[in-house]
Amino acid sequence: NAGVTQTPKFQVLKTGQSMTLQCAQDMNHEYMSWYRQDPGMGLRLIHYSVGAGITDQGEVPNGYNVSRSTTEDFPLRLLSAAPSQTSVYFCASSRGAAGNQPQHFGDGTRLSIL
Amino acid sequence: GQQLNQSPQSMFIQEGEDVSMNCTSSSIFNTWLWYKQEPGEGPVLLIALYKAGELTSNGRLTAQFGITRKDSFLNISASIPSDVGIYFCAPYNNNDMRFGAGTRLTVKP
Repeated sequence: NAGVTQTPKFQVLKTGQSMTLQCAQDMNHEYMSWYRQDPGMGLRLIHYSVGAGITDQGEVPNGYNVSRSTTEDFPLRLLSAAPSQTSVYFCASSRGAAGNQPQHFGDGTRLSIL
Repeated sequence: GQQLNQSPQSMFIQEGEDVSMNCTSSSIFNTWLWYKQEPGEGPVLLIALYKAGELTSNGRLTAQFGITRKDSFLNISASIPSDVGIYFCAPYNNNDMRFGAGTRLTVKP
């Protein structure tokens, strides 16, 4: 089982560029979410989805878009990258709501915005 | 705004020692989770607490959900080198999951 797969693992962007971070899971999980992790801080929830076709905002959604057209995939789009979006991004999935079922995390995408 | 404090920020201990870390929140939560993160990887769930006052163990790990629902602690007994990592508390309410800033644990053999 691959679990949660994130691509790419590393990316450097220039300010103003757009980019899509990919996340795929093969566990048929309904719930998926995106977090960012900044140095010395815990993860902060960006967006989440409780099932295909349904998305909602988390704690820090500004500057990011998501869509959930299939159960397996939950891409995160940066519309116009800013240096403040330099971070490590984690995707997670779970069978049910994040607090009720164990979340499985990917290994992260390390993103630098110059 | 909502505040979540995790302490200590870091710990340097000798193999075999016991470890204790805790989180306190300004808000009430219905669930408290504890995760561990190793370098270059995503967090892995260690323990989940669903009821105020609940005390749960997972091997050498023990965690408690505070009676006020605003705090939780995690204890690790008889630490070993593979306990090294960053430990996060993650309280949860209704699709809103927060993470503490983490406790970085270093274990000296």
